Order: sequence, then C-alpha cells, then structure tokens
Amino acid sequence: NAGVTQTPKFQVLKTGQSMTLQCAQDMNHEYMSWYRQDPGMGLRLIHYSVGAGITDQGEVPNGYNVSRSTTEDFPLRLLSAAPSQTSVYFCASGGRAGDTQYFGPGTRLTVL
Amino acid sequence: KNQVEQSPQSLIILEGKNCTLQCNYTVSPFSNLRWYKQDTGRGPVSLTIMTFSENTKSNGRYTATLDADTKQSSLHITASQLSDSASYICVVRPRGSTLGRLYFGRGTQLTVWP
Repeated sequence: NAGVTQTPKFQVLKTGQSMTLQCAQDMNHEYMSWYRQDPGMGLRLIHYSVGAGITDQGEVPNGYNVSRSTTEDFPLRLLSAAPSQTSVYFCASGGRAGDTQYFGPGTRLTVL
Repeated sequence: KNQVEQSPQSLIILEGKNCTLQCNYTVSPFSNLRWYKQDTGRGPVSLTIMTFSENTKSNGRYTATLDADTKQSSLHITASQLSDSASYICVVRPRGSTLGRLYFGRGTQLTVWP
C-alpha cells in the first residue's frame, strides 16, 4: 500500500492563480480531510469528507474548494491564490474521523 | 469554546533523559484523545489513543496518561533518543458532534541533544 499520497511536493504560485492539490489514498478509507499548517498555529482543518459525494467545511474553508467523486481521491482547489495561503498542506485519511488519521507527506505552497 | 492547549511550546533535553509533555483540553463531551509525532518535513504519525475510560497507555518508550475529570493528558518519553526530536501534537475528538471535527493542539517541539 502506498498509503496517502500528495502531489505536488512543492509549488510556487503568483497571486490570483488557481491550482489543485491532489490527494489519494489506497486504504479504502471513508474519511478524508485537508489541513494547513502554519508556524506556531498547528494544524487547522480546511475541508473534510465522510464519504464519496459528501464534503463539509472545517475551520478555515475560505478560498478553497473540494469534491469527492471517488473514495480514493480528495483534491483541494485554490480558486484565486493569495499570499495568506502560503502554507504547508496535509491530506489525511482514516476509517472514520475518530480513527487513526494517516497523513500524507505534505505540499509546501508559496504564493507570491 | 472547545480548545486544546499544549505545554511547553518547546523543550530541549539531553539524550537518555526523560521528559513529559502536557495537553489540557476543554472539548466536551469527549470521545478520545490521540498523540501524534511529526518529524520535520513529514506528516504526523499516531503514537497512542486514549478513550474516556483509559488512564494509561504505553507504546514502547512512550506512555500517555489521561485524567478525564481534569481534562488533562500527558505524554512521557523515557530514555530519549535523538530520533525523538519532533513535534508532538495532541488531538481530541468530541463525542456526538460533527463527524469530521477534530481539535488539534499547536504541538510541543522537542529537541534531543547528544
């Protein structure tokens, strides 16, 4: 099993550009989520999904969209990148929200 | 307001020494509490899970304790190794609320010196 994979590992964007961060898991987990991690702030939940076709907002959803068309994939879309979205983004999956969460290696995003 | 507070924010110890990290939470009602270890540049990895009825749980040199009455948990690391240098994150899941909501502490950055 590859576990949770994220692409790309690094990305530089200009303000106003859009892009999609990819996340995939091969563990047949129902629950998937996206977090951002900023220095001194800890992990903050952006969006989560409890199954294919079901998504909901987390703590900091503004500026981000998600969809869950399959169990395996949970992409995160930045609609119009802003410097405040410079961060490290982690995708995670688990059987349910309360189960062990398996995190991907992260995507380091810089918005100029 | 549901919160998870960790202390200290950072800690430096010498290799071979023991240390204890603290987690205080206000999340209620409470379902479970996990400790994660996050190495630099990597995603967090689960170390232990504590449910309401558990007081102590060990995972090798890591021992977690939970006092559900005072809403406090601690992670004790015995005979520290250089590889223990990492951020340790406390995560609390509330019971009976939104399925996806987990509450994260900001982590304790542990540095082990030789």
